[in-house]
Amino acid sequence: AQSVTQLGSHVSVSEGALVLLRCNYSSSVPPYLFWYVQYPNQGLQLLLKYTSAATLVKGINGFEAEFKKSETSFHLTKPSAHMSDAAEYFCAYSGGGADGLTFGKGTHLIIQP
Amino acid sequence: ETGVTQSPTHLIKTRGQQVTLRCSSQSGHNTVSWYQQALGQGPQFIFQYYREEENGRGNFPPRFSGLQFPNYSSELNVNALELDDSALYLCASSLGRGSDTQYFGPGTRLTVL
Repeated sequence: AQSVTQLGSHVSVSEGALVLLRCNYSSSVPPYLFWYVQYPNQGLQLLLKYTSAATLVKGINGFEAEFKKSETSFHLTKPSAHMSDAAEYFCAYSGGGADGLTFGKGTHLIIQP
Repeated sequence: ETGVTQSPTHLIKTRGQQVTLRCSSQSGHNTVSWYQQALGQGPQFIFQYYREEENGRGNFPPRFSGLQFPNYSSELNVNALELDDSALYLCASSLGRGSDTQYFGPGTRLTVL
């Protein structure tokens, strides 16, 4: 069965610093990978999606993620953190079937002023 | 274009009762997926409906059931509520099954006392 691991339940960075949120997946089939953001008491908003067209995926709000098959990773980055980036971030996997999305446990991003 | 909407926003029930949650999919989307998000956890896939039929199911007992209507809106029904059913229930719609991007609603917060 597929699984998604997000390293670090909490990540704290200073405003203006690089944001790096880690995601590794485990699957025997080629993945479709997603990053979602969740603000308090809200649903999930799609940041970006990997579908094998390009290994470097650009998303909204200046975020991007790079798919590395050899490392089974899909880490999320942003060059310069903004206070408004403080939220919960989820990495998710789909095998393309009818099993829905498999989510990691989430990483809480804290932005220090 | 109208996004995914869910009702009610909040709900309080007692153990043993039944509950129905509702979801309206994004315009043009024919697939609805339901997820349960416990506090501090990532969402877990309950089931997916495609063109009014259950298309896939996660590891949830039969007391979790659903419907999809001809206009592609959907209901999630939970019978014999248990304390552990307290969670945020998220609905997501997509253009098709499998790897298509899922767009989430704001969720329904269910509290079971």
